[in-house]
Amino acid sequence: GAVVSQHPSRVICKSGTSVKIECRSLDFQATTMFWYRQFPKQSLMLMATSNEGSKATYEQGVEKDKFLINHASLTLSTLTVTSAHPEDSSFYICSAGVLPGTGPNDNYGYTFGSGTRLTVV
Amino acid sequence: GQQLNQSPQSMFIQEGEDVSMNCTSSSIFNTWLWYKQEPGEGPVLLIALYKAGELTSNGRLTAQFGITRKDSFLNISASIPSDVGIYFCAGHRYSGGGADGLTFGKGTHLIIQP
Repeated sequence: GAVVSQHPSRVICKSGTSVKIECRSLDFQATTMFWYRQFPKQSLMLMATSNEGSKATYEQGVEKDKFLINHASLTLSTLTVTSAHPEDSSFYICSAGVLPGTGPNDNYGYTFGSGTRLTVV
Repeated sequence: GQQLNQSPQSMFIQEGEDVSMNCTSSSIFNTWLWYKQEPGEGPVLLIALYKAGELTSNGRLTAQFGITRKDSFLNISASIPSDVGIYFCAGHRYSGGGADGLTFGKGTHLIIQP
């Protein structure tokens, strides 16, 4: 089945620095990867949709210059949190999938990585 | 962003009891999904529902996709200690331009007392 790997699982950084998070699809080629953010005791909220070879689409209220997304290959997308501040501390989770109609049902971005806990101090 | 209406928010039950939770939306979804999330982990897919009216089982779990495509429920029969966790519903809508991300419910925190 679809396997999505996310790295690192935890990262602590100083305020003002940048952090890169990787999301990889291990056993399939993901035309689309999704980035979510989850604050403590809350649900997952979609931040952006990343299509291989094109610019990411950001949800309303998400700063594209702060959360840089690169999807340079069909198996890797990266999220860079630039100039991180304590309020950016959160659990970041990715999912990967293919466009509906192009693959098995369970590959439409329904498989998630294990998440990255970002703490900005 | 939009969130689905998921209830109950938390459940305290005895081991062996059945569990039921549901999600509703003001808009239609093409697919409904149910996930379980453990602390510090990403959500794990339990059941995916692709057709209105569909009833699908996965072991002790049963879920249904509502006829109106605006709701879904998840039942867990004969709960066991390892069922403890947070359960999320999610809806997927296909737009003409491509794949859309998922819209999640607020979660149901299941706590089982031995």
